[in-house]
Amino acid sequence: DVKVTQSSRYLVKRTGEKVFLECVQDMDHENMFWYRQDPGLGLRLIYFSYDVKMKEKGDIPEGYSVSREKKERFSLILESASTNQTSMYLCASTHGSSVYNEQFFGPGTRLTVL
Amino acid sequence: KNQVEQSPQSLIILEGKNCTLQCNYTVSPFSNLRWYKQDTGRGPVSLTIMTFSENTKSNGRYTATLDADTKQSSLHITASQLSDSASYICVVSPNYGGSQGNLIFGKGTKLSVKP
Repeated sequence: DVKVTQSSRYLVKRTGEKVFLECVQDMDHENMFWYRQDPGLGLRLIYFSYDVKMKEKGDIPEGYSVSREKKERFSLILESASTNQTSMYLCASTHGSSVYNEQFFGPGTRLTVL
Repeated sequence: KNQVEQSPQSLIILEGKNCTLQCNYTVSPFSNLRWYKQDTGRGPVSLTIMTFSENTKSNGRYTATLDADTKQSSLHITASQLSDSASYICVVSPNYGGSQGNLIFGKGTKLSVKP
């Protein structure tokens, strides 16, 4: 079974702190994604990566950066956390370039910024 | 504008009853449509995926239908169980040639199954 794991289920940080969210997948998937999910808004794509050291902006990249130094790991970085970044963050991965391939999601990290 | 609209927003049914969730989309060009189930506090899990040439697909008690002409899909749940309580998300992939960075997510239908 594909497994996508995220470093924390719950995280509480203070405004201005630098925050790292880690995601690891164990199926050698080329593509990895970071989404945020807010009530009434659905999932929105922050960044995605289709290869090591490659990244593409999604719909809402402002305030975030990403790092993909190894194929299995995709990190989301909040350089200076703000209260409007309180949200559920979901990581996903998928194999290959076909639009038909399923995205597998991690369990999510619920981040609260005080 | 590419959009995915789901209805109802929420639904309460009794255990053992059937229900149908709706998804309307305006995405073009269309590639495929997926239904995901998301338990509270967890990540979404895929139920079905359909291309434009498929009009029905089943996964156990879950049956998805697709009408690509009217741009509508439905998810039918048969003989509901308490474990079906979750949010159900409709996701449409435009056919932009090989990237999954363009998936369009609906806001979900929250289903509660009561004993």
